[in-house]
Amino acid sequence: GAVVSQHPSRVICKSGTSVKIECRSLDFQATTMFWYRQFPKQSLMLMATSNEGSKATYEQGVEKDKFLINHASLTLSTLTVTSAHPEDSSFYICSASLLGMGRNTIYFGEGSWLTVV
Amino acid sequence: SQQGEEDPQALSIQEGENATMNCSYKTSINNLQWYRQNSGRGLVHLILIRSNEREKHSGRLRVTLDTSKKSSSLLITASRAADTASYFCATDFRGSNYKLTFGKGTLLTVNP
Repeated sequence: GAVVSQHPSRVICKSGTSVKIECRSLDFQATTMFWYRQFPKQSLMLMATSNEGSKATYEQGVEKDKFLINHASLTLSTLTVTSAHPEDSSFYICSASLLGMGRNTIYFGEGSWLTVV
Repeated sequence: SQQGEEDPQALSIQEGENATMNCSYKTSINNLQWYRQNSGRGLVHLILIRSNEREKHSGRLRVTLDTSKKSSSLLITASRAADTASYFCATDFRGSNYKLTFGKGTLLTVNP
């Protein structure tokens, strides 16, 4: 079945550095991927919609210059947290939509834990 | 933007009992989905119910949808300790390509 893979699953970085998280659709092409953030004991909040070949669409309150999203191919979207701050420590999770071909569904990655020290 | 709200926020029951969680949302939807999340892990998809459906079953799970009240319920029957997790509802609207809005979730604890 379709699988979405995220890497790394856990990462620790120093304040001020940048960290990249990858989201891959393993056996299907995803023109649209979504990035969510989840703080401990809270729900998932949509950060942005990643569109293949075009600029990402950010939700209100999400800084596009801080959370860089690149969707360069139909199977890969990346989220780069720039100038990381301890407040950016969170669980980041992506999803990819599989539409058409008689199947309309969404798949989530396993998530990436980011700790900024 | 629409947002689902689950209640209760936390629910503690004994093994074998039924657990009911509710979700309300604010705007018209295309689909409503329920997910489970174990602590620190990714999401597990449970059930999708479309806006023109009223009830769906899957194993020990039963989901209802009342679009007039903009609410849904998830019933887990004969609960097991392994059902301990957070449960979220998520909605999307037509044409959103499954851009989901999640509710705040219910933390279910099933005591053995």
